[in-house]
Amino acid sequence: DAGVTQSPTHLIKTRGQQVTLRCSPKSGHDTVSWYQQALGQGPQFIFQYYEEEERQRGNFPDRFSGHQFPNYSSELNVNALLLGDSALYLCASSLGTAHSNQPQHFGDGTRLSIL
Amino acid sequence: EDQVTQSPEALRLQEGESSSLNCSYTVSGLRGLFWYRQDPGKGPEFLFTLYSAGEEKEKERLKATLTKKESFLHITAPKPEDSATYLCAVQANTDKLIFGTGTRLQVFP
Repeated sequence: DAGVTQSPTHLIKTRGQQVTLRCSPKSGHDTVSWYQQALGQGPQFIFQYYEEEERQRGNFPDRFSGHQFPNYSSELNVNALLLGDSALYLCASSLGTAHSNQPQHFGDGTRLSIL
Repeated sequence: EDQVTQSPEALRLQEGESSSLNCSYTVSGLRGLFWYRQDPGKGPEFLFTLYSAGEEKEKERLKATLTKKESFLHITAPKPEDSATYLCAVQANTDKLIFGTGTRLQVFP
């Protein structure tokens, strides 16, 4: 049973560039959430997708955008990269309708470094 | 504002020395409290979900408990392979998880 998979594992970009990160959810899951984890900190919620729509958003600027495809996979896009965007980006999947309290299962993340 | 605070920030234990990690939370309408384990360079690994005060869950050397204001993760007779960062997260009236900053546990032989 494949878990959550993310690609790429590592990425190096320069300021001002754009990046796309990808996520395939755990088999049977239909909801995908994205988190940003800075070094030594807990993950911070970016947004969540369900039924191909953004269901909720955290306190991140609109430079951060996403998409969910019919097969439940998802992309995170970040435009106009800043040095402060350097972090581990985590994707989590779960099974749920609105307001579900089912656990979210995480991938191993994409380490994004901005030079 | 919903908030999660974990203590201590770091904990060093000798193998076999039992201890507890604390997760204090302030949230309006708790729907669930989640414990995760995170190894360096990896994503968080799900351990437990607790839904209501008084609930307890166990898995091997780990036991999680929940009150109306905090949760404890008790580690009994830890082994070096239990070394990791343990994260606590709450889910309130929204779908997002709100995480604490974690407790870095090191168990040495």
